[in-house]
Amino acid sequence: GAVVSQHPSWVICKSGTSVKIECRSLDFQATTMFWYRQFPKQSLMLMATSNEGSKATYEQGVEKDKFLINHASLTLSTLTVTSAHPEDSSFYICSARGGSGGSAFGSGTRLTVV
Amino acid sequence: LAKTTQPISMDSYEGQEVNITCSHNNIATNDYITWYQQFPSQGPRFIIQGYKTKVTNEVASLFIPADRKSSTLSLPRVSLSDTAVYYCPLLEGNTGKLIFGQGTTLQVKP
Repeated sequence: GAVVSQHPSWVICKSGTSVKIECRSLDFQATTMFWYRQFPKQSLMLMATSNEGSKATYEQGVEKDKFLINHASLTLSTLTVTSAHPEDSSFYICSARGGSGGSAFGSGTRLTVV
Repeated sequence: LAKTTQPISMDSYEGQEVNITCSHNNIATNDYITWYQQFPSQGPRFIIQGYKTKVTNEVASLFIPADRKSSTLSLPRVSLSDTAVYYCPLLEGNTGKLIFGQGTTLQVKP
């Protein structure tokens, strides 16, 4: 089945620095990828849709200048949290949608900003 | 986008059949019904997807009435390892977006 690899699985950074999270589709080409954020004991919240070769589409309330998304190839999307602050600490999860319509999720990245 | 409503939690015992319901009164024509399982600190894992009637795979069954305003995930003979949070996000057919509501925390007891 479809496999999505997400890296790193956890990261601790200092307030004010930037962090990059990678999401790779390993055995299929992902025309579209999605980024979610999940706070403790809460559901997943869709942040943005990443389309290969075009700009990402952000959900209402998500700052596009803070959460930079790049989808330069059919197998890789990256999310960069710029100038991170403690309130950005969360569990970030990507999913990839292949041409067939199926979706697979990465294992998530636990971001802690100190 | 349509939202879904599920019971917050459910308890069961090993070996029992578990049915988790999901309400999606405002489901759109192009929306598909999907179910995912999530363990702590992991990404969701796909369980099953359907559009209408009944779908069955090796791990679960999905029942969808004709009006599609609700769905029921059926897990046969659960085990302790099925303790997890279960979500029924709607899949928007055109965009592939999955919109998650609050999931159901299933606790399987010995």
